[in-house]
Amino acid sequence: DTVLTQSPALAVSPGERVTISCRASESVSTLMHWYQQKPGQQPTLLIYLASNLESGVPARFSGSGSGTDFTLTIDPVEADDTATYYCQQSWNDPTFGGGTKLELK
Amino acid sequence: QIQLVQSGPELKKPGESVKISCKASGYTFTDYAMHWVKQAPGKGLKWMGWINTYTGKPTYADDFKGRFVFSLEASASTANLQISNLKNEDTATYFCARWGYYYDGTYYLYYFDYWGQGVMVTVSS
Repeated sequence: DTVLTQSPALAVSPGERVTISCRASESVSTLMHWYQQKPGQQPTLLIYLASNLESGVPARFSGSGSGTDFTLTIDPVEADDTATYYCQQSWNDPTFGGGTKLELK
Repeated sequence: QIQLVQSGPELKKPGESVKISCKASGYTFTDYAMHWVKQAPGKGLKWMGWINTYTGKPTYADDFKGRFVFSLEASASTANLQISNLKNEDTATYFCARWGYYYDGTYYLYYFDYWGQGVMVTVSS
């Protein structure tokens, strides 16, 4: 299985820029996707294929990367962005990162 | 609009079985595979497997072979997950997720584009 590693938590102030990283144990090309999950809710798709913004998602969210290293950027961060963010690869059987919990100061 | 609506919460005893459903609407059900994802309390997302909604063929991740069964009621645009011989460690929220795709002219590139709201299954004696 392809293991995805994320840092567990981040704390930022509203208006700042935040980057959330995801490292894959092997190359997944650009088959990396990002989801947002708020407490008690289902995940929602933010970014697909590394850098494509899902329809309806604010342009404050962006994604980059290829191969093994990927980044989700939120700029500027808003209070509503408090959530856990997961990366997921579809190069082979789907796997998820452990999630990064974003808290606002 | 596209929706995946799952059945309600379940409280079961160890050894019992549970069947949860995922009803799709707003698109042609058989055009997209359906996947299942487990989330234990306070934990991350774990892929369980998927079902081909056109052929009905299920595929299970290694950790979900044996007690887990994916099935369809295609006429009702519904995918089901049945878990038998429930154990305490099956306590979790179970999500269905549509396997969406982008066609780049050569390949279909897949990701989870829509999710059900999740079903909380609690196993307790």
